[in-house]
Amino acid sequence: DAGITQSPRHKVTETGTPVTLRCHQTENHRYMYWYRQDPGHGLRLIHYSYGVKDTDKGEVSDGYSVSRSKTEDFLLTLESATSSQTSVYFCAIRAEGPYNSPLHFGNGTRLTVT
Amino acid sequence: GENVGLHLPTLSVQEGDNSIINCAYSNSASDYFIWYKQESGKGPQFIIDIRSNMDKRQGQRVTVLLNKTVKHLSLQIAATQPGDSAVYFCAENPNTDKLIFGTGTRLQVFP
Repeated sequence: DAGITQSPRHKVTETGTPVTLRCHQTENHRYMYWYRQDPGHGLRLIHYSYGVKDTDKGEVSDGYSVSRSKTEDFLLTLESATSSQTSVYFCAIRAEGPYNSPLHFGNGTRLTVT
Repeated sequence: GENVGLHLPTLSVQEGDNSIINCAYSNSASDYFIWYKQESGKGPQFIIDIRSNMDKRQGQRVTVLLNKTVKHLSLQIAATQPGDSAVYFCAENPNTDKLIFGTGTRLQVFP
């Protein structure tokens, strides 16, 4: 899976609690992305990173924050989880500039907020 | 994930037949397109890509066709096998940092 590890693979948490999802890559790729996937929707971008400490918002960034202190790790934090954030979260990486190569995805984290 | 196949159009084919999965993309400025395959419980897997200066590209058992005039993309799978059963979706890059993903088509292969 292109050297991408997401942890945890499954998590159940309560409304209002903070949650952090981790993405770790061994490819030394510059670009990293967090997506969520829900029935009836395509993959929707939450946040992405184009280098260490360089991040930007995607289309559904409200309620989420990210950090990238090392090339290999990209963290997604839900400061105060809500039921609408129940979803499957995918991390993706990309080697070159945005127009030159496909994203490669991890196997996802299934998050349930009760 | 496991629920990605719900509410999706489904294409059912017999093993050994050819499959054609279609995608209409949205942005006329898009110049790079990708097809992904997603099996239950797994992340999307890259299949093949094509740039807008091409109208056809072939891989192993797969062919992607691009018609920019009508903003249409198709994925052809030759001699479809049971292992091809999955959700397939396209993605377009409209000259930004961010891909736009379609919602997908579920391919079911019957013996």
